[in-house]
Amino acid sequence: GAVVSQHPSWVICKSGTSVKIECRSLDFQATTMFWYRQFPKQSLMLMATSNEGSKATYEQGVEKDKFLINHASLTLSTLTVTSAHPEDSSFYICSARALQGHEQYFGPGTRLTVT
Amino acid sequence: AQTVTQSQPEMSVQEAETVTLSCTYDTSESDYYLFWYKQPPSRQMILVIRQEAYKQQNATENRFSVNFQKAAKSFSLKISDSQLGDAAMYFCAYGVAGNMLTFGGGTRLMVKP
Repeated sequence: GAVVSQHPSWVICKSGTSVKIECRSLDFQATTMFWYRQFPKQSLMLMATSNEGSKATYEQGVEKDKFLINHASLTLSTLTVTSAHPEDSSFYICSARALQGHEQYFGPGTRLTVT
Repeated sequence: AQTVTQSQPEMSVQEAETVTLSCTYDTSESDYYLFWYKQPPSRQMILVIRQEAYKQQNATENRFSVNFQKAAKSFSLKISDSQLGDAAMYFCAYGVAGNMLTFGGGTRLMVKP
């Protein structure tokens, strides 16, 4: 149990375009989902916290107009990188917390390359 | 703000031997959770072990155990009988009641055959 999927696993897009990444909890309902960013050989940095039915809370320094997060249901959150630039290239990881419990379950990540 | 520090960027261990990864954290909270995650080359984050701060007993999961020193704010991971499959990045993480996790910088563990 407690499986989180991400789609796509790998995406290449051209500079200036937008790309959407989906995060789904497959066998549980998630009131809260978290989006992290990981640069090569670095740790995970929290970008935003997403609660179902409400606006996401962004960490300091993360542009909310650039990284649009939607958490429309208890099993799906999306991250849209708008007007992507090469510096947005990174590994994006989502995690989900179940309705009851403190543990976060991580998705397999999405590698974004902006050319 | 909470911070998590892993002072060992890289560690190496001989197969079948024991290795300890260090982690310290800073918090003003009294009730929190600590985790060790493993990130293999696939980059999937895998939970290795968790510890509730209110529990005095150190958590163990098969070959993995922790040494939790609350007063010292220290949370080290011991891997016994190391296996080649244990080679990965290991991240220590801190969290409060289902909120966001704060990760340490990571330790790359190499296992020598």
